[in-house]
Amino acid sequence: AQSVAQPEDQVNVAEGNPLTVKCTYSVSGNPYLFWYVQYPNRGLQFLLKYITGDNLVKGSYGFEAEFNKSQTSFHLKKPSALVSDSALYFCAVRARGATNKLIFGTGTLLAVQP
Amino acid sequence: DTEVTQTPKHLVMGMTNKKSLKCEQHMGHRAMYWYKQKAKKPPELMFVYSYEKLSINESVPSRFSPECPNSSLLNLHLHALQPEDSALYLCASSPQGKESGNTIYFGEGSWLTVV
Repeated sequence: AQSVAQPEDQVNVAEGNPLTVKCTYSVSGNPYLFWYVQYPNRGLQFLLKYITGDNLVKGSYGFEAEFNKSQTSFHLKKPSALVSDSALYFCAVRARGATNKLIFGTGTLLAVQP
Repeated sequence: DTEVTQTPKHLVMGMTNKKSLKCEQHMGHRAMYWYKQKAKKPPELMFVYSYEKLSINESVPSRFSPECPNSSLLNLHLHALQPEDSALYLCASSPQGKESGNTIYFGEGSWLTVV
């Protein structure tokens, strides 16, 4: 069965510090991996995705994520956090061939303190 | 332009009412989705339309009835809902093809309250 785990319900970081939001996955074969962000009372916004190729993927708002096949992880990172980055972050995975089904993690609330 | 537009933004309905949520996209996407999201939880897939045909129904109760009038529009008809159906309903769209790496783009959602 496919699954995505986000082990931290909440991550707290000071503004200006680097941030990491963790994601691990379980899927047969090579996956497609996505990160979405949801600001309060808003819909989900696409941040970045890994399809193939370079393991380091760059996305919107200065975020990047590193695909690690051996550790089945796809952690989201940013070198310097902003207060405006405070939001709910979802990792998602889609197995190759499962064209329309996206499996979401439980979400991680990122709180950036000024 | 990666915009999915949903109306209304907020809807309050009684348990005997009939109402509809509407969704529109002009990105040429041929897959459209309805998700339900409770507060601080991940979205739950309800329905998927592919080339205007219903391709996935995640065992959703019949009080929710989807409709895809054309390739740009998606509706969700609501009837005899329960208070536990109160949630954020998200519409989404994506290119449709054999390639599973297509990005799904979400609208801002419709907040539904059933009283």
